[in-house]
Amino acid sequence: DTGVSQNPRHKITKRGQNVTFRCDPISEHNRLYWYRQTLGQGPEFLTYFQNEAQLEKSRLLSDRFSAERPKGSFSTLEIQRTEQGDSAMYLCASSPGQGARTDTQYFGPGTRLTVL
Amino acid sequence: AQTVTQSQPEMSVQEAETVTLSCTYDTSESDYYLFWYKQPPSRQMILVIRQEAYKQQNATENRFSVNFQKAAKSFSLKISDSQLGDAAMYFCAYRSGTNAGKSTFGDGTTLTVKP
Repeated sequence: DTGVSQNPRHKITKRGQNVTFRCDPISEHNRLYWYRQTLGQGPEFLTYFQNEAQLEKSRLLSDRFSAERPKGSFSTLEIQRTEQGDSAMYLCASSPGQGARTDTQYFGPGTRLTVL
Repeated sequence: AQTVTQSQPEMSVQEAETVTLSCTYDTSESDYYLFWYKQPPSRQMILVIRQEAYKQQNATENRFSVNFQKAAKSFSLKISDSQLGDAAMYFCAYRSGTNAGKSTFGDGTTLTVKP
C-alpha cells in the first residue's frame, strides 16, 4: 500500500493553456474523489468516481473541467483554457468500496497549479 | 446542504499542554460521519480521527479525542500532551452516510505549538 499518488506535484502554466493532472489511488480502492483547495480554505468537492463511473459532479466543475477514470484505476483531471482563478491545489482522494472504513477518504499530496 | 463551521482560524498551545479545536455542522440527516484531518505545511492531509454519528461513545486515538454532541451538532477535537509535530492546519469534515460522494470541509484552524 503506497498511498494515493498525484502527478505532477507542481504545474505552472500560462492563461489559456490546457493542463492535465493524474491521480493513482490506493490499490483496490474503487472510489476516487477530486477536490480543489485554495489558500486558507478547506477542500471543495469537484467530482467522484465509483470504478469508472462518474457519479457526482459539483457545480464548481465548469465546462472547462473534465475528469475521467478509464478502467476504474487511475484518474485524470483536465482543465481547458486555464484562467488565473483556476490557481489552486488540486487534491485527489480514494476510499474502499467495501469492508471497513468505506466512509474514510485517504488523500494524495496534491498538485499545485499556478496560472500566470 | 450540509455546512461545516470552524470558528477559530488560529489557535496556539504550549508544548505538553492540552488544546481543544471547535467544529459545528448543520445537517438534516441522521446517518453521517465526522472527521478531523491534519494538514502540515506543504504536506498532505492525513486522517486524525473519525466518528460515526450513530455511536454515542466519543472516538479516541492516542492523544486525540473528540467531544461529539449530536443534538448540538458539535464535534470538537482535544489534543492532549501537545507536541511540536502537532503544528498544522486542522480541518473538520462531514460525510453523509447515505451518499458515498463528497465530504464537506470547514475552513480549518491553524494550530501553533510553542516550545
